[in-house]
Amino acid sequence: DSGVTQTPKHLITATGQRVTLRCSPRSGDLSVYWYQQSLDQGLQFLIQYYNGEERAKGNILERFSAQQFPDLHSELNLSSLELGDSALYFCASSGGSGGAWGDTQYFGPGTRLTVL
Amino acid sequence: GEDVEQSLFLSVREGDSSVINCTYTDSSSTYLYWYKQEPGAGLQLLTYIFSNMDMKQDQRLTVLLNKKDKHLSLRIADTQTGDSAIYFCAETRYNQGGKLIFGQGTELSVKP
Repeated sequence: DSGVTQTPKHLITATGQRVTLRCSPRSGDLSVYWYQQSLDQGLQFLIQYYNGEERAKGNILERFSAQQFPDLHSELNLSSLELGDSALYFCASSGGSGGAWGDTQYFGPGTRLTVL
Repeated sequence: GEDVEQSLFLSVREGDSSVINCTYTDSSSTYLYWYKQEPGAGLQLLTYIFSNMDMKQDQRLTVLLNKKDKHLSLRIADTQTGDSAIYFCAETRYNQGGKLIFGQGTELSVKP
């Protein structure tokens, strides 16, 4: 158990809908990262937050947004869902050095999103 | 480019050693990681190495780094059926913050 929790474990929804995925980092970790794992794209970095502020952005679609709250949990919002958004979404957290390049990231169990 | 490359499949017999290979492209200072993903599970950090090191050993795991060829390998000694999983190589780059850049993953199958 990495100490990173994600809810829900599974989510099934229809095209055009909006969903929210939630992540709680390990105790004491200030950085949260979101990744998408799909069969065609593999594991792709989406976005990183550090202590409530956006720190880095990857291949995140404009239909997707995220935030990190004062209690350090994070939410990833996916809207106007398409079939191609079906994937496993992982959250990871790391320690307090600003999400620097040497921080070790610990992953949650993921949320499996199925868009029908 | 951004590519981190891995072979897709490896099959070994129980008790043999497994060697999973990875190549990366960036020559700047970097951390390189190995993660394990079992079916239906998240990514478990196995080990990592900084690019100024050549080797790191941790129980049954040995990581070798060839900086000249930008080649990383993970050796699992005395492979067990419980080692069957997908193994991901990943790197972070000095000028790109903390984001992990992953390879495609190598599916290790251990036969009894």
